[in-house]
Formats: sequence, structure tokens, C-alpha cells
Amino acid sequence: GQNIDQPTEMTATEGAIVQINCTYQTSGFNGLFWYQQHAGEAPTFLSYNVLDGLEEKGRFSSFLSRSKGYSYLLLKELQMKDSASYLCAVRENTGNQFYFGTGTSLTVIP
Amino acid sequence: ETGVTQTPRHLVMGMTNKKSLKCEQHLGHNAMYWYKQSAKKPLELMFVYNFKEQTENNSVPSRFSPECPNSSHLFLHLHTLQPEDSALYLCASSPGGQGTEAFFGQGTRLTVV
Repeated sequence: GQNIDQPTEMTATEGAIVQINCTYQTSGFNGLFWYQQHAGEAPTFLSYNVLDGLEEKGRFSSFLSRSKGYSYLLLKELQMKDSASYLCAVRENTGNQFYFGTGTSLTVIP
Repeated sequence: ETGVTQTPRHLVMGMTNKKSLKCEQHLGHNAMYWYKQSAKKPLELMFVYNFKEQTENNSVPSRFSPECPNSSHLFLHLHTLQPEDSALYLCASSPGGQGTEAFFGQGTRLTVV
């Protein structure tokens, strides 16, 4: 099974840094994914972790600790366009399934 | 543009109607998925197809019936739906290998009246 938890809402200031946490429980872990979803649009892929540690991609970084069932997404130099929902997803190795958390709605304010 | 196309984008149907949602990808992906997205709820995995074979049915009511005639097309047939089935239905595909992400279509906004 999967229990994926994220904060429901966050607010941060333009130019600042924000960290969105995700905890999970799964029976067959095969990777953790972060997606961004703007209102009315499809989720788009941001980052992927399968080994412990930090993956950096420009202004976005994602961290994974498999022993703790914990990940975070770090967004730096926030821009207004970063206002969106950020979805944490766990992939299971039993059948290619992706399971999602509720998403964190991030609002960036001037 | 992710390469996954869903039609229609919007659908309003009565509870006695029968309709179908269509998803198409020409990315060469081997896995295809249907998700339901309702307000304030996680994306709910409904069905998974790997190499055209259904490998997951996540306790979905029988009024939703998937069909995968080939690796590029996925349908969701709908009949006698309920108002609580109103949601955004998202299709996704993935290559299926290690570390490969899922690519989502734009979704079909379904309203059951």
C-alpha cells in the first residue's frame, strides 16, 4: 500500500526559497517523482530520485531518504509563475504503478 | 505538449448516457494509465495497462470500463455514472523502464448531471 503525505498549502515570497516535504510508506519502492500542476493543466514532471541524496536541476532540487520514507522539493529564487500545485508520487516496482499525494498548493506572493 | 492527447477536453453527460474517453500516445510507451482527479483529493489510480494487458484495477466500479486495443490507444467507457463521478480524468503513459516518468495528457473534465 501507499500513504503519501504532503502539506496542503504553502505560501512564500517572490525571490525566496521554499521546501515542500513528502513522506511515504510503500511496499515496493521504485522511485520518487515530483510533478508541477498549474490550474486546469496536466501535471508536468519536475524531478526523480531513486537513491538517497540530492538531485539538482536549476532552481529545483529534490532530496530522498529511503530509510525515513521522506523526500522534499526545494524551489529557489521563487517566481510568480511557480504558483502551482506540487505533487509527490511514488512508483512501485510490482506493476509500474505511480501513486500520488494530495499535492501542495503553493502561492507565491510579491 | 507532452505527446499524450485526450479527447474530449470537456464532457457533460446524464446518468443514463454512455460515453467514451479517448487517450492516444505515439511516444512508443509501453504503459498507460487512467487517473481520476477530484478537488482536495490525491490523484486516484484507476487502471494500468502494461503492453496492452491490464495489470491494475484499483477497486474501480464497473460503470467504468477500460479498453486498450493497442499500445498507443486507451479508452475509458462510461455508463450509468453518478454525480460524484464528476472529476478530471487524466491519462498518462510511461516507457516502463527504471527511472522513467509518466507523461500526462491534458485531461477530460467530466460533469455528470
